[in-house]
Amino acid sequence: NAGVTQTPKFQVLKTGQSMTLQCAQDMNHEYMSWYRQDPGMGLRLIHYSVGAGITDQGEVPNGYNVSRSTTEDFPLRLLSAAPSQTSVYFCASSLRGPGANVLTFGAGSRLTVL
Amino acid sequence: GNSVTQMEGPVTLSEEAFLTINCTYTATGYPSLFWYVQYPGEGLQLLLKATKADDKGSNKGFEATYRKETTSFHLEKGSVQVSDSAVYFCATTGRGTGFQKLVFGTGTRLLVSP
Repeated sequence: NAGVTQTPKFQVLKTGQSMTLQCAQDMNHEYMSWYRQDPGMGLRLIHYSVGAGITDQGEVPNGYNVSRSTTEDFPLRLLSAAPSQTSVYFCASSLRGPGANVLTFGAGSRLTVL
Repeated sequence: GNSVTQMEGPVTLSEEAFLTINCTYTATGYPSLFWYVQYPGEGLQLLLKATKADDKGSNKGFEATYRKETTSFHLEKGSVQVSDSAVYFCATTGRGTGFQKLVFGTGTRLLVSP
């Protein structure tokens, strides 16, 4: 069981470039979410999805786009990268129902924007 | 909204020492409380949780008790090992069965030396 798989692990971008961080889970979890981790700030929710075709904004959605065309995949798109988006990004998934608040995280994607 | 405050690190201990990492929360209603751990180079993983007042979560020798009267959920371990070196995050969320926006603390780094 692979769990939550994120790619790439590391990426360097120039300001203004776009890219997609991939996230896939094989646990048939309904809920998926993206967090960013910054020093001294803990993890902050960017976007989340409660099922295929349904997405919503979290705490810090600006500059990011998501879609959920299948249960398994939840890519995060950076439309025009900015240095403020330098961070470590984590994808997470969880079950619906009583297990909704127990998250399984991917290993993270470290993004540097120059 | 809900929030958690945890002690700043790093916490530096010798092997077999007693560990306490403090966490206090602010929440409306009846939140659930969590400790997540992040080992070097990995994503976060659930360490333990408690869903109501006076519940004690425990796992791998770690314990935390949900104290409503002091709004606290302090993490303790009687005898730490070098392998416990990691970043520990306190988190809170609601207890519903829909998507829950976990709110994380800033993390406390634990360094255990032989």
